Amino acid sequence: QVQLQQSGPGLLRPSQTLSLTCVISGDSVSSTTAAWNWIRQSPSRGFEWLGRTYYRSEWSVDYAESVKSRIVINADASKNQFSLQLLSVTPEDTAVYFCARGWDLNSWGQGTLVTVSA
Amino acid sequence: DIVMTQSPESLAVSLGERATISCKSSQSVLFNNKESLAWYQQKPGQPPKLLFYWASARASGVPVRFSGSGSGTDFTLTISSLQADDVALYYCQQYYSLPLTFGPGTKVEI
Repeated sequence: QVQLQQSGPGLLRPSQTLSLTCVISGDSVSSTTAAWNWIRQSPSRGFEWLGRTYYRSEWSVDYAESVKSRIVINADASKNQFSLQLLSVTPEDTAVYFCARGWDLNSWGQGTLVTVSA
Repeated sequence: DIVMTQSPESLAVSLGERATISCKSSQSVLFNNKESLAWYQQKPGQPPKLLFYWASARASGVPVRFSGSGSGTDFTLTISSLQADDVALYYCQQYYSLPLTFGPGTKVEI
């Protein structure tokens, strides 16, 4: 059974960088059949897919156009985890952030409420 | 982007009665003869839980009173006999193309 454990700060000031990590157990971030996503949920915007990383013969990333200019998703195979960085946050980035596995999102992290406020 | 819509926004169903939720995609999500459509259940303070993938394939541990169906751009989640534990928000999601997109959700109450 795949489990995802998220960590990272929950309160940020505007212009700071959001950094979250998702540690994987029961699977490998380097799996050639999986993909590793970051998704956020807010009352105003619902669910918003932010991006993903996956390994085939090399690492690849895909990002949502809405955040493409300020998002970085990385994988660390030595720690079996992947991470999200979102630069220059604003109050509009306030949301619950989730990591999730797959295309059908069959495993989810517990969620992290990130609040951006001065 | 593929736009997902759901109806109704909310529904109240008596215990033991049937609940039916509709999901429509703005374009076909058919890929290799499979519909790239998933359903999730979300309870307050929890992450979503996968119920169905490929529109009708039941995820592990999902009770048989839940069923998923549909094709083309029209999909349905049915709870045949509502239990108290089924009170939740339900979402559909397409994984045919990026960005992955979700419906706005349907709230099921008793």
